[in-house]
Amino acid sequence: EADIYQTPRYLVIGTGKKITLECSQTMGHDKMYWYQQDPGMELHLIHYSYGVNSTEKGDLSSESTVSRIRTEHFPLTLESARPSHTSQYLCASSLQGIGVSGNTIYFGEGSWLTVV
Amino acid sequence: KQEVTQIPAALSVPEGENLVLNCSFTDSAIYNLQWFRQDPGKGLTSLLLIQSSQREQTSGRLNASLDKSSGRSTLYIAASQPGDSATYLCAVLTQGGSEKLVFGKGTKLTVNP
Repeated sequence: EADIYQTPRYLVIGTGKKITLECSQTMGHDKMYWYQQDPGMELHLIHYSYGVNSTEKGDLSSESTVSRIRTEHFPLTLESARPSHTSQYLCASSLQGIGVSGNTIYFGEGSWLTVV
Repeated sequence: KQEVTQIPAALSVPEGENLVLNCSFTDSAIYNLQWFRQDPGKGLTSLLLIQSSQREQTSGRLNASLDKSSGRSTLYIAASQPGDSATYLCAVLTQGGSEKLVFGKGTKLTVNP
């Protein structure tokens, strides 16, 4: 079972609020990822990190920001939430890059965000 | 731009049936293709990863095949069980795509007892 944890699991907040979604893994993985998924739709990569002090933007434009100060922790922050940010956010990690043979990517259970 | 399509969007079968889920992708220049399982309200679980040089991978009752030139993959589930009920997602890593997996929308499978 994957040791990757996301909090909160469910959150309802008002427009304009600042929110940080937490993601932690205890597997010592360098690579970490944030995906966004609307119900019944594809996952889209919004941020990823190769390791400490590394952050990259994914394919989907996002108003969120991330930081990677510690290997095990990869929080995602929305400075001013809007209803368009309502979605599920999935965090993932892997020991090596996704293109490496035999490498497995592990996902957390997701954070459901509703902005009203 | 890589696009991944999964057909059918939903499938309902009686327990014990063998079934095939389909995945197609538009850009055949891929590093690998992966199949994941997603249970309701949960994250994804990696099932099988096929490198671009491989034709198939097997794990238990699951067998995934890859035809890179035609841009297709299939996931074969043998002797389906109610516990197999979930959404199955296909994702590809395109060459030069760095860490960017491109996902399909998934096939929602229901196996009826």
